[in-house]
Amino acid sequence: EVQLVESGGGLVQPGGSLRLSCAASGFTFSSYEMNWVRQAPGKGLEWVSYISSSGSTIYYADSVKGRFTISRDNAKNSLYLQMNSLRAEDTAVYYCARVLRVGATGWFDPWGQGTLVTVSS
Amino acid sequence: SYVLTQPPSVSVAPGKTARITCGGNNIGSKSVHWYQQKPGQAPVLVIYYDSDRPSGIPERFSGSNSGNTATLTISRVEAGDEADYYCQVWDSSSDRWVFGGGTKLTVL
Repeated sequence: EVQLVESGGGLVQPGGSLRLSCAASGFTFSSYEMNWVRQAPGKGLEWVSYISSSGSTIYYADSVKGRFTISRDNAKNSLYLQMNSLRAEDTAVYYCARVLRVGATGWFDPWGQGTLVTVSS
Repeated sequence: SYVLTQPPSVSVAPGKTARITCGGNNIGSKSVHWYQQKPGQAPVLVIYYDSDRPSGIPERFSGSNSGNTATLTISRVEAGDEADYYCQVWDSSSDRWVFGGGTKLTVL
């Protein structure tokens, strides 16, 4: 069974740091592109960051650029999101999601169950 | 940046057809994907590549995309279809994925 399991969420003070992890199983992790998507309480989905299968190509949303760093360890079947200089508006459930593609277009399937990050003093 | 516009809410009686729209500039030139999210759960893919259904998604779910509007159609709506629905595209001009604001489907 294809599965993604996030961890590392919690309560952190503004300006603090947190590292999220996403453990993948049931598929050849090193062959797939991955993403982080977040959802603030009661709000919609917001794409956060993308990483290619080799890690050579990375994209970020403007809202996190310069503060968040996406990475992966294909030997450990794991995806990471290092979050620095956290702000109250970063409070959200963070999901990791695998990319499936046909040509230039891609979609997310599956998604992990999410991990909650709360930024508050 | 590319913007996707969805109605905040759609209501439909059981057994009827629900149509959820996703508007964007010349969205017909892009591939649109749709996700269903029930309360407290992660999103689930229900339509990809405009109109393809993943395995396990009922045939009642279908999609179309033309001009400036993509549409998710749910036929013979059931109580279990009540959820938030999000459209998504890849914006190649800015190298980012974009989600619509989401539509809450209420089954009356």
